[in-house]
Amino acid sequence: GEDVEQSLFLSVREGDSSVINCTYTDSSSTYLYWYKQEPGAGLQLLTYIFSNMDMKQDQRLTVLLNKKDKHLSLRIADTQTGDSAIYFCAETPLFSSGGSYIPTFGRGTSLIVHP
Amino acid sequence: NAGVTQTPKFQVLKTGQSMTLQCAQDMNHNSMYWYRQDPGMGLRLIYYSASEGTTDKGEVPNGYNVSRLNKREFSLRLESAAPSQTSVYFCASGQANTEAFFGQGTRLTVV
Repeated sequence: GEDVEQSLFLSVREGDSSVINCTYTDSSSTYLYWYKQEPGAGLQLLTYIFSNMDMKQDQRLTVLLNKKDKHLSLRIADTQTGDSAIYFCAETPLFSSGGSYIPTFGRGTSLIVHP
Repeated sequence: NAGVTQTPKFQVLKTGQSMTLQCAQDMNHNSMYWYRQDPGMGLRLIYYSASEGTTDKGEVPNGYNVSRLNKREFSLRLESAAPSQTSVYFCASGQANTEAFFGQGTRLTVV
């Protein structure tokens, strides 16, 4: 079945760039997502990239997709303490399972930003 | 803009007790999902519903049942709670293969 892998922790200094990496196995993925989960809250969509794109930039966020290696990364420029959260990589398949396009999530990367 | 609403937010149960977690969405989505989140395990799919009237098992369905009452509501029932079911439960909804929208979660402790 589909699998999404991420490292569990990343620690950076405030003001530095953070890069969170993700690998996935489903070559038929259509959308690839980054979600952010703040303490005590649900997941919220941060950004996404369609599988025929290589890069997407949105203010401080840059998403890079290497489809050949099935590697996705999220770069946060000028990381702030408010960026401390768990970041989940997710993908949805091209084909539905019984009518539902079940998203598959990685285990999440805890980003810790220290002064 | 309510989005996905889960109740209750917190619950403590004794082993063997039953309870139902409620979820409702107001975005007219066809698909709804129940996940559990445990430390180091990420999100694991319990059950999902592709449309009103259909439900299917996910990765970890044992000990749970679900009901898709109508297009808006998808409930998760624990018939006889066990300590292994202590977790944070998230309901989500989505349309086709676009993003999933999540509720705020239910923090369940079984003692």
